[in-house]
Amino acid sequence: AQTVTQSQPEMSVQEAETVTLSCTYDTSESNYYLFWYKQPPSRQMILVIRQEAYKQQNATENRFSVNFQKAAKSFSLKISDSQLGDTAMYFCAFMKFNFGNEKLTFGTGTRLTIIP
Amino acid sequence: EAQVTQNPRYLITVTGKKLTVTCSQNMNHEYMSWYRQDPGLGLRQIYYSMNVEVTDKGDVPEGYKVSRKEKRNFPLILESPSPNQTSLYFCASSFKGAPSPLHFGNGTRLTVT
Repeated sequence: AQTVTQSQPEMSVQEAETVTLSCTYDTSESNYYLFWYKQPPSRQMILVIRQEAYKQQNATENRFSVNFQKAAKSFSLKISDSQLGDTAMYFCAFMKFNFGNEKLTFGTGTRLTIIP
Repeated sequence: EAQVTQNPRYLITVTGKKLTVTCSQNMNHEYMSWYRQDPGLGLRQIYYSMNVEVTDKGDVPEGYKVSRKEKRNFPLILESPSPNQTSLYFCASSFKGAPSPLHFGNGTRLTVT
């Protein structure tokens, strides 16, 4: 079974600064996908970024980028030029590569607050 | 607009009173799933469905039922709710074949007293 660990329950940062959220995972699978989801106070689950394990290049989406270290089983999220709208709970998630149950295994989340 | 619609958004009920949370998607997705979110535990999968009439248990299926009679609908049924089922519930859907991104509904906050 896979596990996902987010060791920072809460973080806060000043607006416009850069913040990094950590995530580690444990799996014996070689093919898998990793995701970061954002959950603002509206409760929506919003996909921020995803990474295929077979790709060495780190994924980037505008101000969001990841540092994917496959050997270390680490998948951190960097938010650059943070904005007030980035205030949310962030979940790291793992999905095994298969054509069956596309289950996401989630970490416990990091509550991020952007301070004006 | 492509979306996953859950109803109701909030629900307060009493122990033992059967309830159904509805979920409907308009994207012709084969795959649908239910998760519950609890503080300190993240989201955990309850049940999933690969297609019409094909359902299976996730990680925390006890106390829940589902059905998939039509492709677009995937209701979650609590036949005898208990206080430990107080949680935030999410329905999600996607096309089959990872890594199709999961589309989530807006959640249902359930309180069982």
